[in-house]
Amino acid sequence: KNQVEQSPQSLIILEGKNCTLQCNYTVSPFSNLRWYKQDTGRGPVSLTIMTFSENTKSNGRYTATLDADTKQSSLHITASQLSDSASYICVVSRTGGGADGLTFGKGTHLIIQP
Amino acid sequence: KAGVTQTPRYLIKTRGQQVTLSCSPISGHRSVSWYQQTPGQGLQFLFEYFSETQRNKGNFPGRFSGRQFSNSRSEMNVSTLELGDSALYLCASSLSQSSLNEQFFGPGTRLTVL
Repeated sequence: KNQVEQSPQSLIILEGKNCTLQCNYTVSPFSNLRWYKQDTGRGPVSLTIMTFSENTKSNGRYTATLDADTKQSSLHITASQLSDSASYICVVSRTGGGADGLTFGKGTHLIIQP
Repeated sequence: KAGVTQTPRYLIKTRGQQVTLSCSPISGHRSVSWYQQTPGQGLQFLFEYFSETQRNKGNFPGRFSGRQFSNSRSEMNVSTLELGDSALYLCASSLSQSSLNEQFFGPGTRLTVL
């Protein structure tokens, strides 16, 4: 069964600190992995998309890594800001599928405290 | 370029009623997908439309239906509303059905069933 597990479920850190969110998946055959940021009451916004051959991808203070062998990904946030408070969702796509081929994690709820 | 728009943003209905939600994709995008998001389940795939045809359907009862128009705009309908249908309904558009294409999400419609 295709699954995406994210940890931790929630995280509270102080402004300026770094943090790392984890995503483990069992989706097969693998096409790509995406990280989304979702502010409260808004739709998800794409941060990064990585295919099988990509190990690291950055978007400003966000850096995603992918280990296709262990089927793990992480999202590292550097020098956190209050605006980083949101849910972060890991989404894994299988080859050949459309939207039905996407498996969503339940997200990590991140709170940045001043 | 305008993003994905969804109307209405908020809806309150009572059990047994029906509701229609609307989604306008990004100009040039031909694929529209719908998702239900609840705190406990995360994002759940409802259906995907491409060129006015439903291409894929998630595991939801027949009370959930949708359609796509020639201008790629899409609507989803939920009949005989139940309390459990209370959720954020998200629409996403992409250029085509390919799993490589990025999905762009709208802000969602918050449906509350009383």
